[in-house]
Amino acid sequence: EILLTQSPGTLSLSPGERATLSCRASQSINNNYLAWFQQKPGQAPRLLIYAASSRATGIPDRFSGSGSGADFTLTISRLEPEDFAVYYCQQYGKSPRTFGQGARVEIK
Amino acid sequence: EVELVESGGNLVQPGGSLRLSCAVSGFTFGNFWMSWVRQAPGRGLEWVANIKHDGRETNYVDSVKGRFTISRDNGKNSLSLQMNSLRADDTAVYYCTRDYRGTFDYWGQGTLVTVSS
Repeated sequence: EILLTQSPGTLSLSPGERATLSCRASQSINNNYLAWFQQKPGQAPRLLIYAASSRATGIPDRFSGSGSGADFTLTISRLEPEDFAVYYCQQYGKSPRTFGQGARVEIK
Repeated sequence: EVELVESGGNLVQPGGSLRLSCAVSGFTFGNFWMSWVRQAPGRGLEWVANIKHDGRETNYVDSVKGRFTISRDNGKNSLSLQMNSLRADDTAVYYCTRDYRGTFDYWGQGTLVTVSS
């Protein structure tokens, strides 16, 4: 199965700053089938990005995804207070679909 | 409005069984693949199983093969997960999700399964 490694594990930033999260796969992901999710405490994950760079319905344009092959990035251009959460990447290019271990964006 | 509501989570002893259900509304259920995704307490996410829109194809993560069975009733807009031979490492919040282009675009609020003696 494809292993996804997210870095850094925790990112400490202030509102208004830029957040950059990395997701590295153990092998190239077919068709760049890579998604990003946001999860807040006590809530279900929310789909942010699919196919590496396409924003899901209703997702603000401060969230963007990029990358290809085995290296992908989620960027939040200017952090809003509601963006402090845990973020997961997920690949669906090869079965079984797998998730990264998560990366926390916390208030500095 | 799309809504997925799970039920059936409970405390069960190792080796026991449990059946989870998910009631769906707000979209044409019979047009979509559906999945179960779980999250162990304080841990990450793991896809568990999925089922084709007509119920004729199912897939499972290796750790649950032979123990879990996913099914659906398109007439009742309902998804189920029958879990047998439960183990401590099956303890998790189980989410019902809609498959979208291979990923998961709508999620329920989750139901907690605890396997412990």
